[in-house]
Amino acid sequence: GAGVSQTPSNKVTEKGKYVELRCDPISGHTALYWYRQSLGQGPEFLIYFQGTGAADDSGLPNDRFFAVRPEGSVSTLKIQRTERGDSAVYLCASSSLGNSPLHFGNGTRLTVT
Amino acid sequence: ILNVEQSPQSLHVQEGDSTNFTCSFPSSNFYALHWYRWETAKSPEALFVMTLNGDEKKKGRISATLNTKEGYSYLYIKGSQPEDSATYLCAFRRNDYKLSFGAGTTVTVRA
Repeated sequence: GAGVSQTPSNKVTEKGKYVELRCDPISGHTALYWYRQSLGQGPEFLIYFQGTGAADDSGLPNDRFFAVRPEGSVSTLKIQRTERGDSAVYLCASSSLGNSPLHFGNGTRLTVT
Repeated sequence: ILNVEQSPQSLHVQEGDSTNFTCSFPSSNFYALHWYRWETAKSPEALFVMTLNGDEKKKGRISATLNTKEGYSYLYIKGSQPEDSATYLCAFRRNDYKLSFGAGTTVTVRA
């Protein structure tokens, strides 16, 4: 079946611009996570959705970052006034409830020039 | 911030040899410990989800153990093959469902 889909796969933007990263989770998965991975580091937690609501957004680095999941399915991570330090691979993952494993997308590689 | 530590950061192993590496995590508020394999140009793939102290899981030549009281898990690869080359990530889940990852152990199997 279809896995987690992330678009775009690559995004190059200029410093100061606004970007949106999209995540299409596996159908029926209620939990959705966003992570950020920089070179040499493990995935860094950004935000977790249970259904439509952000159950934990403690990982968002500052108020330039925002994420939504209005209908409990597709999620969009929005970054305003991008900075070079935002360059990373942004990973989305979804899972069903309980102790189910995460299913990851292929990530969006964001480069801020 | 939850400290999930993995060691070593990288290792090289000869084809056919066995190897193991460690994940350490906080021993309080434990809910589950996940292991993922992340191959180059692919997305991370789940290997195991472990929840009980003393748990042992096996998938082919890969196995894992869990000690929640002391806060560590071992991943073992028996008879390493080139296709085992990947970064292995562990992730600690607290009882609030937040999943925190370690930096990974990158395994390179030499033919």
